[in-house]
Amino acid sequence: GESVGLHLPTLSVQEGDNSIINCAYSNSASDYFIWYKQESGKGPQFIIDIRSNMDKRQGQRVTVLLNKTVKHLSLQIAATQPGDSAVYFCAAGGGADGLTFGKGTHLIIQP
Amino acid sequence: DAGVIQSPRHEVTEMGQEVTLRCKPISGHDYLFWYRQTMMRGLELLIYFNNNVPIDDSGMPEDRFSAKMPNASFSTLKIQPSEPRDSAVYFCASLGGLAAPGEQFFGPGTRLTVL
Repeated sequence: GESVGLHLPTLSVQEGDNSIINCAYSNSASDYFIWYKQESGKGPQFIIDIRSNMDKRQGQRVTVLLNKTVKHLSLQIAATQPGDSAVYFCAAGGGADGLTFGKGTHLIIQP
Repeated sequence: DAGVIQSPRHEVTEMGQEVTLRCKPISGHDYLFWYRQTMMRGLELLIYFNNNVPIDDSGMPEDRFSAKMPNASFSTLKIQPSEPRDSAVYFCASLGGLAAPGEQFFGPGTRLTVL
């Protein structure tokens, strides 16, 4: 099966700086990866996804990078804002398997 | 659309009692998922439905847990009897058939505390 882990439980960044949140997965057969944002007291919210035939995908102020060689996934948030403060977690899956979720990195924005 | 609606938002009950959590998915979505989130285990898929039919319930912890979807606009997750280790936040999510698998819309969750 798949296991997904985040490198840091907490990440503190200055407002305006770029944030990078990292994630590792174990199953090389996983071909679909997602990043979610979860604000306090709310359900997870889809941010961006990427399939294994891509190395990079960009959204609004966010970029996801996929390195299949080392089974590593990262989320980059440009010009971090106070509203970006949340728990971010990745999920991996593929084929008949459902998604496996990591536990999350709490992003703290320093003023 | 109001999004995915869950009720109650908070539930406190005593061990041994029956607990029923409710979910109304987004209209037109044909997939519905039930998740459990704890600090120790993170977010875990319990069961999901497609067109009201349970497809995969391999995540349901044990026979004390059951889920139903009698129609496209309503689903329940029942725990009977409840135990303290069932304390968690339970999320319902729905997904439109043409969307990517990750583009699930989550409800606000039900925080369950079993004393």
